[in-house]
Amino acid sequence: KAGVTQTPRYLIKTRGQQVTLSCSPISGHRSVSWYQQTPGQGLQFLFEYFSETQRNKGNFPGRFSGRQFSNSRSEMNVSTLELGDSALYLCASSHTGSSNEKLFFGSGTQLSVL
Amino acid sequence: QKEVEQNSGPLSVPEGAIASLNCTYSDRGSQSFFWYRQYSGKSPELIMFIYSNGDKEDGRFTAQLNKASQYVSLLIRDSQPSDSATYLCAVSMDSSYKLIFGSGTRLLVRP
Repeated sequence: KAGVTQTPRYLIKTRGQQVTLSCSPISGHRSVSWYQQTPGQGLQFLFEYFSETQRNKGNFPGRFSGRQFSNSRSEMNVSTLELGDSALYLCASSHTGSSNEKLFFGSGTQLSVL
Repeated sequence: QKEVEQNSGPLSVPEGAIASLNCTYSDRGSQSFFWYRQYSGKSPELIMFIYSNGDKEDGRFTAQLNKASQYVSLLIRDSQPSDSATYLCAVSMDSSYKLIFGSGTRLLVRP
């Protein structure tokens, strides 16, 4: 069974640009969540989607958005990039996203903003 | 106060010793507790989960939960150099659809 797949693996952008990251969950998993990981802040929750609906959103500015498609694949978008957006963006999936389910993480997308 | 707190370490133990990693959480509504291992440059990998008070053992790993004290721990017996990594404690609450992570404890196992 294939794991969580994230593309691209690395991205280099400049300030003011926008970026779209993609995530394909494990087959059969319908919940997809996104996390930002930085050395200073650790792993922080961005948002979670289930059946194309956002059920929870973390404390990030509106420049961070996401969506989920009917096949459970998800994308996140960051507009007007800032230097502080440089981070590892991790996608995780689970069957339904309930509190007792295990999350499986993808390899992440390393975003560098210059 | 952070929602999930861990000592950043590094925690250094000799090979073959028991490594003890600790985590405290602030929200008494937390229901599920997870330990993830993250090697440098890699993504987090789930190694243990626990939902009820007490101990849960899986191979060399034991997770301990004390909800009254809001305390979770991970014991690694017979530590190996390959166990050297950052260990992340994470908690979740019912219907929150998210994990709250601690900042992680870096473990170094000396050969």
